Amino acid sequence: GQNIDQPTEMTATEGAIVQINCTYQTSGFNGLFWYQQHAGEAPTFLSYNVLDGLEEKGRFSSFLSRSKGYSYLLLKELQMKDSASYLCAVRNDYKLSFGAGTTVTVRA
Amino acid sequence: DAGVIQSPRHEVTEMGQEVTLRCKPISGHDYLFWYRQTMMRGLELLIYFNNNVPIDDSGMPEDRFSAKMPNASFSTLKIQPSEPRDSAVYFCASSLWDRVSGNTIYFGEGSWLTVV
Repeated sequence: GQNIDQPTEMTATEGAIVQINCTYQTSGFNGLFWYQQHAGEAPTFLSYNVLDGLEEKGRFSSFLSRSKGYSYLLLKELQMKDSASYLCAVRNDYKLSFGAGTTVTVRA
Repeated sequence: DAGVIQSPRHEVTEMGQEVTLRCKPISGHDYLFWYRQTMMRGLELLIYFNNNVPIDDSGMPEDRFSAKMPNASFSTLKIQPSEPRDSAVYFCASSLWDRVSGNTIYFGEGSWLTVV
């Protein structure tokens, strides 16, 4: 089975940094993904980690530790448009299973 | 490039009616996924296809749900008969397997279904 945990909500100030943690226990692992979903819209791809370590993409970075079943998404220089839900997802074979998502609210 | 295209975007139907949701994947993609999203259960995988063949339908909630992919550019998800608890957003997604992207999936805009 799949068990993917992430915090329900986080609030941060514009310009700040927020780290969203994700822990997983899955029957198989072929990679970890982060998606962003604005209210009323579809999820959009942010990042993909298959090996341990940090992947950086502009203001967003994602980290993976396979031995610990742990990942985080780091959002730097927060902007109001970053207010959204962030979904952690684990790939097992060709299936992608999603966590419940973390709603990030950015305040001015 | 056009993304995943879904129709209808919104549908309101009465309990007991048949609902058909449609999807056109990204051209050249070899995997197609149907997901359902609700507040209570989040994003759940219903079924996925590889090269038009259903591979795993273990997420399909019950026999009222069926999905087909008659060709590489079209898929349907049918609910018959529909029930109020089927109200949700249904997303179609597609991907192209390659080692670099890890089979990153791309979502359509979703079909918002309300069964009254």
